[in-house]
This record gives sequence, structure tokens and C-alpha cells, in this order.
Amino acid sequence: DTAVSQTPKYLVTQMGNDKSIKCEQNLGHDTMYWYKQDSKKFLKIMFSYNNKELIINETVPNRFSPKSPDKAHLNLHINSLELGDSAVYFCASSRRQASNTGELFFGEGSRLTVL
Amino acid sequence: QQPVQSPQAVILREGEDAVINCSSSKALYSVHWYRQKHGEAPVFLMILLKGGEQKGHEKISASFNEKKQQSSLYLTASQLSYSGTYFCGTDIIQGAQKLVFGQGTRLTINP
Repeated sequence: DTAVSQTPKYLVTQMGNDKSIKCEQNLGHDTMYWYKQDSKKFLKIMFSYNNKELIINETVPNRFSPKSPDKAHLNLHINSLELGDSAVYFCASSRRQASNTGELFFGEGSRLTVL
Repeated sequence: QQPVQSPQAVILREGEDAVINCSSSKALYSVHWYRQKHGEAPVFLMILLKGGEQKGHEKISASFNEKKQQSSLYLTASQLSYSGTYFCGTDIIQGAQKLVFGQGTRLTINP
């Protein structure tokens, strides 16, 4: 029973298209995240949500719109895809701690290729 | 804000030891360590909280020097299964839920 699951695992699309990635966690965590990992393996935080509320938006272009319908789900919609959006997108979740980020549980990743 | 890891890459023979360092220019509330194998998701190894503690996980341990804003990951008697890219993640804002990762250290263990 997968703790953090993402779909789809692979997306190949043309520039200018729109795509969505879905994420679900069954760990009972209250905080969820999107991270982007580029070709150089750099893991960059994009967004974090706590109990459906956006708490971190790391100067991500407006073309990226996260949405959390409930605390177990965090989706990512990307409009007008660009070549530079090609990357692996990881969803993660954690239990909120008072003073620090809790242990992150990552999904398997969604590899996006923009042609 | 991004922590700096060193070295960028290490090649070892099975049974040798390695140390991976993580340095920040900002005060730290916590340091996380993760390992990522090729084509897989990062996996949590340990977390060190403000207070200068040392933690261990099998033959992998870590220290956190709060004053120097540094953490080190120690891999003792390395095994083939230790191969992968190691990331440190740091919290520099209390309670912000914003873990910022270093650029990674690629560890290769040869038989």
C-alpha cells in the first residue's frame, strides 16, 4: 500500500500544452509539498500546503497552479508548458512540527518531458 | 539560502569510510539527510535538531554543529547498497515547513 502516490509517472507533451499531476498520501500527514528535480539533480521546493492552505510559494511562475482539495491530496496543474519545465516532479508529505520540517516521505516522481 | 555540500562526488571501495559535509550561511533549526538511488525517490535517513546532537542509523551517523552551521554524515564500512546521491536539507526559518536541499553528493561504492 503506497504511502505517497503520484500519477502519471511519465508525461511527454508539446510546448504550449497544459498538464496535471496528481498526488495522494495515506499517512495521515497534514503537510504536502511539490519539489522539482532538474537534470542536474537539484531538488528545489516549489510549494508547501498545510491542511489545504498554501504556506510556501517559492517564486514559481503563475503557469504552475497547485490545488489541495483536502489534506490527503495535492495536485499540480501546469499551463503553457515550456522546454525548461522538463524535470522530475516529486510530491512529498510530512507531519507538521512546531519548529522544523518533519521527515519527508516522497512519492515516486513524475517525469515530465516537454518537446 | 541553499546549503553547500562537499565533496560533490566520492568513489570508494566496499568497506571504506566516507564523510559528507553540509554547510549553511544561515542559522539552522534542523538538518535532514536523504539518500536517492538512480531513478528512485529520495529516502529519509535521519534528522538532527538544533542542539548539537549526533544520531546514528546502522553504520550511518551524523553530527550537527549548530555554532558552525554545519552537519556531517559519516558512512562507516561502506556497503554496495550505500551507493546513491546524498542530500542534506536545512530549515533556516523556524516552523516554515520549507526544507531547502543542497546540491547533492554522489557516492559510488565499488566491490
